Amino acid sequence: GDSVTQMEGPVTLSEEAFLTINCTYTATGYPSLFWYVQYPGEGLQLLLKATKADDKGSNKGFEATYRKETTSFHLEKGSVQVSDSAVYFCAPLDTGRRALTFGSGTRLQVQP
Amino acid sequence: NAGVMQNPRHLVRRRGQEARLRCSPMKGHSHVYWYRQLPEEGLKFMVYLQKENIIDESGMPKERFSAEFPKEGPSILRIQQVVRGDSAAYFCASSPPGALQETQYFGPGTRLLVL
Repeated sequence: GDSVTQMEGPVTLSEEAFLTINCTYTATGYPSLFWYVQYPGEGLQLLLKATKADDKGSNKGFEATYRKETTSFHLEKGSVQVSDSAVYFCAPLDTGRRALTFGSGTRLQVQP
Repeated sequence: NAGVMQNPRHLVRRRGQEARLRCSPMKGHSHVYWYRQLPEEGLKFMVYLQKENIIDESGMPKERFSAEFPKEGPSILRIQQVVRGDSAAYFCASSPPGALQETQYFGPGTRLLVL
């Protein structure tokens, strides 16, 4: 089945620093790829997505590019804010089963 | 447009009792998914349903767990004779029919605590 490897957290950054959260996956075929964000005590919010190779998803200053050759979907943001503190999940979608596969998530802590 | 709604948000049960978790999908969505999140872990897929049909229950434990999505009303995840290991956050997601069905939108979750 599909699997996801994310960099372990917590990732601690100062405000306005550059963010990269690495994500690699294994999957059958060419899944759609998603980043979700989870704030404390809440559900998951869709952050961005990409559905085919070389697509770039972007939202709220976050970006990630679907790299088929390296099976990666790294999340980046040029300047983080304290309000970005949350847990971030990378998830490929098995389009045959319509099941998202989640890693353990990466906790981001942004300090003022 | 209201998002995915789940209730209750918090549920406490004693071992051996039944837990019923409800999920109302977003308006216009006909696909529902249930996921379970254990503490400090990612979400694990449990089951995928369409109206009156279970499409994929490969992630559901074989015993004590069941799910339904009736023609009218919310989707229900039912856990019979709960044990402490069932303590987790249960998230429901929904997606629309058609080409956009790939994106799943999540509810706020039900946090189940088994004493």
